Amino acid sequence: SAVISQKPSRDICQRGTSLTIQCQVDSQVTMMFWYRQQPGQSLTLIATANQGSEATYESGFVIDKFPISRPNLTFSTLTVSNMSPEDSSIYLCSVALGTANQPQHFGDGTRLSIL
Amino acid sequence: GESVGLHLPTLSVQEGDNSIINCAYSNSASDYFIWYKQESGKGPQFIIDIRSNMDKRQGQRVTVLLNKTVKHLSLQIAATQPGDSAVYFCAERRALGTSYGKLTFGQGTILTVHP
Repeated sequence: SAVISQKPSRDICQRGTSLTIQCQVDSQVTMMFWYRQQPGQSLTLIATANQGSEATYESGFVIDKFPISRPNLTFSTLTVSNMSPEDSSIYLCSVALGTANQPQHFGDGTRLSIL
Repeated sequence: GESVGLHLPTLSVQEGDNSIINCAYSNSASDYFIWYKQESGKGPQFIIDIRSNMDKRQGQRVTVLLNKTVKHLSLQIAATQPGDSAVYFCAERRALGTSYGKLTFGQGTILTVHP
């Protein structure tokens, strides 16, 4: 499986600011995804990061709030914009490797607290 | 026993006992299922997967059972150890006619193993 590194691992931010989270993979991967995990809850898919094109967002998530970049097959960023306390969550990057019927693998996430 | 907590169901077992974690999924078109283990401060870690054309798959100390009739998935852990204490999530991939359908996660179960 791939080694997935996320930066920062945690941060405390002020209301109204924005934070960009980076996800770096040690090998080229087919698909990259961004999830949110609110405190004590399960994972919810935010969007699929598409290489060279706009991300595909899930219902309830919009590009203005969560802009995503994926400039190549090993790197993606998620920005959480104009943060409010409700954005306090763990944000997780996952990847799907090149073959079908393979599980997604996750980074250790970014723990974000907004004051 | 199993009970519903504030956020996630919990399961407490004694070391050496077998554990069974259950998951109900919602979409009869889902074709691929995965179990993940999430330890505190880490991202979900892949445990075992199963395709919809199977009803049982075994790994090292773990077995996944799939009952498509009632849309039920279970994870059995043999000889549970304190290191198995974590939150366990099931995930289903809703078949979209492509190899990389999106994952939908279940609510999760907190497993606590007592020495």
